[in-house]
Amino acid sequence: QQQVKQSPQSLIVQKGGISIINCAYENTAFDYFPWYQQFPGKGPALLIAIRPDVSEKKEGRFTISFNKSAKQFSLHIMDSQPGDSATYFCYATDSWGKLQFGAGTQVVVTP
Amino acid sequence: NAGVTQTPKFRVLKTGQSMTLLCAQDMNHEYMYWYRQDPGMGLRLIHYSVGEGTTAKGEVPDGYNVSRLKKQNFLLGLESAAPSQTSVYFCASTYGGLSTDTQYFGPGTRLTVL
Repeated sequence: QQQVKQSPQSLIVQKGGISIINCAYENTAFDYFPWYQQFPGKGPALLIAIRPDVSEKKEGRFTISFNKSAKQFSLHIMDSQPGDSATYFCYATDSWGKLQFGAGTQVVVTP
Repeated sequence: NAGVTQTPKFRVLKTGQSMTLLCAQDMNHEYMYWYRQDPGMGLRLIHYSVGEGTTAKGEVPDGYNVSRLKKQNFLLGLESAAPSQTSVYFCASTYGGLSTDTQYFGPGTRLTVL
């Protein structure tokens, strides 16, 4: 059973547009919410992460928004570039080692 | 500094054959993990290790065994491969526990079981 539900499964955005990926979780013990970026043929790599004591974190063009009451968090990619074309995974874990990846979102940025 | 490396990159097995996947890290990390990645399902944890000589089951451990005889190496074994084990396998490592540390992933091993 998927404890972290990620949507959409894929999205196409024009260069300069905004990509938004959403994740919803069930386990209230989760306390660390990273996003991983994966390019074809490569392993995932950490992009940005947030803890539930803040509602938003921004690093360059990437922003995580976190809504603890709704048990949701999202990744916003501003001014999307063709080099951002990749698969993005949300992830949630707790202090006891319980972890869950979302199913992934394939993002395609068109020129 | 090679990070996390995996051997082999590709492998094709027949049903019932056995094989071992090797993961090596040169970052002196304590924790190591094996995941499988299937379309539409994200990454699922197979087994993990919190230190040399220790292993534990993850979400989908059936059909796999692991060993961590040396801190830098984590081996994943398939004793009798099945077509359901066709997948891309990723190894990862962290310095500390999952709730605090970045996971560093290897490049993956694509396994096909016929």
